Amino acid sequence: AQSVSQHNHHVILSEAASLELGCNYSYGGTVNLFWYVQYPGQHLQLLLKYFSGDPLVKGIKGFEAEFIKSKFSFNLRKPSVQWSDTAEYFCAVNDDKIIFGKGTRLHILP
Amino acid sequence: GAGVSQSPRYKVAKRGQDVALRCDPISGHVSLFWYQQALGQGPEFLTYFQNEAQLDKSGLPSDRFFAERPEGSVSTLKIQRTQQEDSAVYLCASRDYNEQFFGPGTRLTVL
Repeated sequence: AQSVSQHNHHVILSEAASLELGCNYSYGGTVNLFWYVQYPGQHLQLLLKYFSGDPLVKGIKGFEAEFIKSKFSFNLRKPSVQWSDTAEYFCAVNDDKIIFGKGTRLHILP
Repeated sequence: GAGVSQSPRYKVAKRGQDVALRCDPISGHVSLFWYQQALGQGPEFLTYFQNEAQLDKSGLPSDRFFAERPEGSVSTLKIQRTQQEDSAVYLCASRDYNEQFFGPGTRLTVL
């Protein structure tokens, strides 16, 4: 069965720190991978996506993610976080429906 | 409107009451999805429509849950005889090619 595992449930960082959120997936077919973000009080928004091609994907707001097929991983990174990055982040894999991870709640200290 | 809209945004129901949640997808989007997001969890798939056809309802947790999209546009998720475990945010999404666009959700609280 398809599944997505996010390594950290809650991460607290200071502004300007570097961020890496881990994500591993289990899926047998051609994989489409996503990171979604949910800011407080707002709906889910797409941060970035990987369908094929360059495994290093750049998204909005300075985020990027690297697809490593051999490790079944799609980790999210940002070199220097800002207070406004405080949100919940979901890794997801897509066939028709989307299978989401349980989410990582990121809290940035000003 | 440019995005997916859902109504009501908040719903409080007494246990045993029936509720109906509405989703207006982005105009022209053929595919529509419903997800349930319990507190502290990621969204979980409920059901999927392509136009008016319900192609996958494997995620509906019980036969108290019913979804329809009779004209291939607006969709309604109905929950009969609500239980406390039905309390969650219900998300609707419509799809353009490979990207799903999510609505703001309906937060259902069953007392």
